[in-house]
Amino acid sequence: ETGVTQSPTHLIKTRGQQVTLRCSSQSGHNTVSWYQQALGQGPQFIFQYYREEENGRGNFPPRFSGLQFPNYSSELNVNALELDDSALYLCASSLDAWQGSYTFGSGTRLTVV
Amino acid sequence: AQRVTQPEKLLSVFKGAPVELKCNYSYSGSPELFWYVQYSRQRLQLLLRHISRESIKGFTADLNKGETSFHLKKPFAQEEDSAMYYCALSGGGGGADGLTFGKGTHLIIQP
Repeated sequence: ETGVTQSPTHLIKTRGQQVTLRCSSQSGHNTVSWYQQALGQGPQFIFQYYREEENGRGNFPPRFSGLQFPNYSSELNVNALELDDSALYLCASSLDAWQGSYTFGSGTRLTVV
Repeated sequence: AQRVTQPEKLLSVFKGAPVELKCNYSYSGSPELFWYVQYSRQRLQLLLRHISRESIKGFTADLNKGETSFHLKKPFAQEEDSAMYYCALSGGGGGADGLTFGKGTHLIIQP
């Protein structure tokens, strides 16, 4: 059984650029969520995908968007990067949208300069 | 709006002493509560959830709806319990609101 894998592990981007982060969910999981974790804070919910459809979204602007593919892997896209977007981005998968408990990846550390 | 508060940023106790990590929540409906743990250089992982009513690694947590609390307890701390602990809430509804996390408590167990 494989866990949740995220790529890349680290990334440096310039303000105004666009970035794509990737996540492979745990085998058998059809639900993927993305979280942003700023330094010293708990993870903050960005959005969730269930069977390729977005079924929940937190308080993030539209420049944060995502996709889920038929194999349940997922992407997080962020346009027009701002300095405050610098954070650890966590992907988490679950057996289904109602399961409530998630398996987390180790994250992508994004630095915007 | 749902909110999770962990009042202690840092908690240091001696090995063998009891541990209690506090968590209070704000939610209008019937939430699901979780404790997640992150050991040094490891990923965030589920420790326990209130509906399971189980003890994991000697830790227990009871949901107190009257006090809107979900404190994590262990009678005798061990050095390997040193980690970052996050309390989290789910409003259900198929994950539409995701998990709401507290800011976390850094637990240090001194030898």
